[in-house]
Amino acid sequence: QKEVEQDPGPLSVPEGAIVSLNCTYSNSAFQYFMWYRQYSRKGPELLMYTYSSGNKEDGRFTAQVDKSSKYISLFIRDSQPSDSATYLCAMSENDYKLSFGAGTTVTVRA
Amino acid sequence: DTAVSQTPKYLVTQMGNDKSIKCEQNLGHDTMYWYKQDSKKFLKIMFSYNNKELIINETVPNRFSPKSPDKAHLNLHINSLELGDSAVYFCASSQDRVVQPQHFGDGTRLSIL
Repeated sequence: QKEVEQDPGPLSVPEGAIVSLNCTYSNSAFQYFMWYRQYSRKGPELLMYTYSSGNKEDGRFTAQVDKSSKYISLFIRDSQPSDSATYLCAMSENDYKLSFGAGTTVTVRA
Repeated sequence: DTAVSQTPKYLVTQMGNDKSIKCEQNLGHDTMYWYKQDSKKFLKIMFSYNNKELIINETVPNRFSPKSPDKAHLNLHINSLELGDSAVYFCASSQDRVVQPQHFGDGTRLSIL
């Protein structure tokens, strides 16, 4: 069993829909949770960063962390075709090492 | 002005050859990383250096050897390339600890014939 599980999709939604992404994990020591966006043939770029449990909102993006359930989510409101990308969750205990999910490929149809 | 740059972008070579990938960051960061991303997009840490000191060395074959001549550069040398080494290799950097955002380069696509 992988340390971080993420459904690879693909996920296809119409423009304007809410995109819901999630990851589960097994390591209860994880404290730092991140979401990265990766466009085709590009490197991942950080979207959201959360410490411990709770919600964080940034524009159209909302990240949620539920440590009791070992479950994190990313919601994208009013999705745009430019949101079409692979979304990777990542998490860490308290050191230099990030553990990534496999990534979910999202397509937003115009 | 590219923050994390890798060269080359593409590398096509024969099995058994030795090759190097170079990475440079101009962000003034202290920590640099090498990741491998396989065909299923799974991104896995290989090595990390902090101020030229190796701090993460995951279970990677000895054929892979990182070198950090200074804190702005982290190179990856691969000996005796094998078919299974075909992947995209990403370099990344962060200010200090992982809680700081990691900035990634655009990857080096390595194909072994």
